[in-house]
Amino acid sequence: NAGVTQTPKFRVLKTGQSMTLLCAQDMNHEYMYWYRQDPGMGLRLIHYSVGEGTTAKGEVPDGYNVSRLKKQNFLLGLESAAPSQTSVYFCASSSPGTGELEKLFFGSGTQLSVL
Amino acid sequence: GENVEQHPSTLSVQEGDSAVIKCTYSDSASNYFPWYKQELGKRPQLIIDIRSNVGEKKDQRIAVTLNKTAKHFSLHITETQPEDSAVYFCAASLSGGYNKLIFGAGTRLAVHP
Repeated sequence: NAGVTQTPKFRVLKTGQSMTLLCAQDMNHEYMYWYRQDPGMGLRLIHYSVGEGTTAKGEVPDGYNVSRLKKQNFLLGLESAAPSQTSVYFCASSSPGTGELEKLFFGSGTQLSVL
Repeated sequence: GENVEQHPSTLSVQEGDSAVIKCTYSDSASNYFPWYKQELGKRPQLIIDIRSNVGEKKDQRIAVTLNKTAKHFSLHITETQPEDSAVYFCAASLSGGYNKLIFGAGTRLAVHP
């Protein structure tokens, strides 16, 4: 049981390049999320998905796109990377309900630098 | 928009002392308040959480209190140990459901032997 797995762990891009971050979870969770973490700002929600084939915008969605073609995978895309997107990206998952179900489980993060 | 304010941003204590971190939230619909611990270079890990129908919850050396009227909640760590050194984040659930969270900016706790 791997939990939430993110790839890649590190990436350096040039301004204008594109890339896709992959998140995979094996806990059969309905909900998945992408957060970015910047120094002094905590974690901010970029996009989220409440089920296969669905996506929705979070607090800071501009410049990102997402897709959830399979329940276990949630992809985050940067079509034209900008230096302001230099950050650590965390994927998380959870389930509907309360108690143990509502707890978010995080992946190990992707450190992205845009030069 | 909704926000969560967290204080202090840094906290330095001696081993064995207590540490208290405080958060204030703005969304009156928030009903779930988790705390995460993040060690350097690692993922955030849930350490304790509380729902709005409970005023206090304790788990060994850590406890969380919630004052829903004042919209603030606090993390208390007693008998601190060097391994408690980390960044701690409070969070509050966002209205609209789906377990979305809004996070505070974090508190860097240093426990000195």
